[in-house]
Amino acid sequence: EDQVTQSPEALRLQEGESSSLNCSYTVSGLRGLFWYRQDPGKGPEFLFTLYSAGEEKEKERLKATLTKKESFLHITAPKPEDSATYLCAVQAGAGGYNKLIFGAGTRLAVHP
Amino acid sequence: GAGVSQSPRYKVAKRGQDVALRCDPISGHVSLFWYQQALGQGPEFLTYFQNEAQLDKSGLPSDRFFAERPEGSVSTLKIQRTQQEDSAVYLCASSLDWGGGNEQFFGPGTRLTVL
Repeated sequence: EDQVTQSPEALRLQEGESSSLNCSYTVSGLRGLFWYRQDPGKGPEFLFTLYSAGEEKEKERLKATLTKKESFLHITAPKPEDSATYLCAVQAGAGGYNKLIFGAGTRLAVHP
Repeated sequence: GAGVSQSPRYKVAKRGQDVALRCDPISGHVSLFWYQQALGQGPEFLTYFQNEAQLDKSGLPSDRFFAERPEGSVSTLKIQRTQQEDSAVYLCASSLDWGGGNEQFFGPGTRLTVL
């Protein structure tokens, strides 16, 4: 069964304190791994897609990496506005389409 | 530019009532997905449309849930005889390509509370 597990469930950081969020997955035939950011009361907002082990992508203070079993979202020198829930999802599906299977998310709080 | 919109944003229903949730995807997007998000959890897949064709409804929790996209644009998720366990945020997402292989754009969701 396809599964995504994120850790930690919650993370509290001081402004400027770098850290990493983990997403481990088991899926038959990974087509893509997605990172989304979700603010309270809003829908998920796309951050990155990774397709193959060794791939890395960066955006401002965020960097996503991918191995054959897990992905990391590295946050460098975070600011309070980075506070949100970060969701990881894998693409899986038969029949040529790609529903997303999500983890439960990591709730990040960055304090000044 | 217009993103994915959903209405209503909030819906309170008494147990046993029927509800209808609307999704307006980004114009021209072929793929449309519905997800259910319980409090503190990630979204869970409900159903998928490619234009007007519902290609996968394996995630619908029961036969009380029904979705349609008759003209390949606007979609409606209907829940009959609502139960308390149906309380959740219902998210709609659309994607430009066939199969939703690229980025899925999410709407803000409809928060359903069943009393």
